[in-house]
Amino acid sequence: AQSVTQLDSQVPVFEEAPVELRCNYSSSVSVYLFWYVQYPNQGLQLLLKYLSGSTLVKGINGFEAEFNKSQTSFHLRKPSVHISDTAEYFCAVSDPGNTGKLIFGQGTTLQVKP
Amino acid sequence: NAGVTQTPKFQVLKTGQSMTLQCAQDMNHNSMYWYRQDPGMGLRLIYYSASEGTTDKGEVPNGYNVSRLNKREFSLRLESAAPSQTSVYFCASSPDYELNEQFFGPGTRLTVL
Repeated sequence: AQSVTQLDSQVPVFEEAPVELRCNYSSSVSVYLFWYVQYPNQGLQLLLKYLSGSTLVKGINGFEAEFNKSQTSFHLRKPSVHISDTAEYFCAVSDPGNTGKLIFGQGTTLQVKP
Repeated sequence: NAGVTQTPKFQVLKTGQSMTLQCAQDMNHNSMYWYRQDPGMGLRLIYYSASEGTTDKGEVPNGYNVSRLNKREFSLRLESAAPSQTSVYFCASSPDYELNEQFFGPGTRLTVL
């Protein structure tokens, strides 16, 4: 069975500093990988996705993630964060052809301090 | 384009009461999903509908039923609410299950007393 582990439940960081949110997955087959962001009292919004091809994926709001098959990781990075990036971030994995079901990690709360 | 809409936004129920959460999408998507979100547990899939006319159980289906009324609408019913069903419920849709990208509604916050 597939699973997703987000290694940090909370990540505090100062404004304009770089940040990395870590995500590891377990799967016996090829997967699609996603990062979603949830702002307070809102639904989830897709940040970026890896389906195939280049392992470095760029998303919205200056975020990027790198797919590492050997380490089964899909870490999210941003070189310089803003106060407005404060939100909860979810990593998710989907098994291609398996009716599109997503398995989510537990979430990481990014707290950007001034 | 409203995207994915959910009603109601908030609901308080007493144990044993029933209710239906409504979800609609105007993006002509084939697949629809219901999740619940609980602190520290991420989102867990309750039921999904890969295409109109089909529904299947997800990870946590007990205590819930669903109806794919048409291509646009996918409702979630709690027949006899329990405090363990206190949660935030999200509906999502996807153009095609193979594409996997899901679009989420704003959520329904449900409290069962």
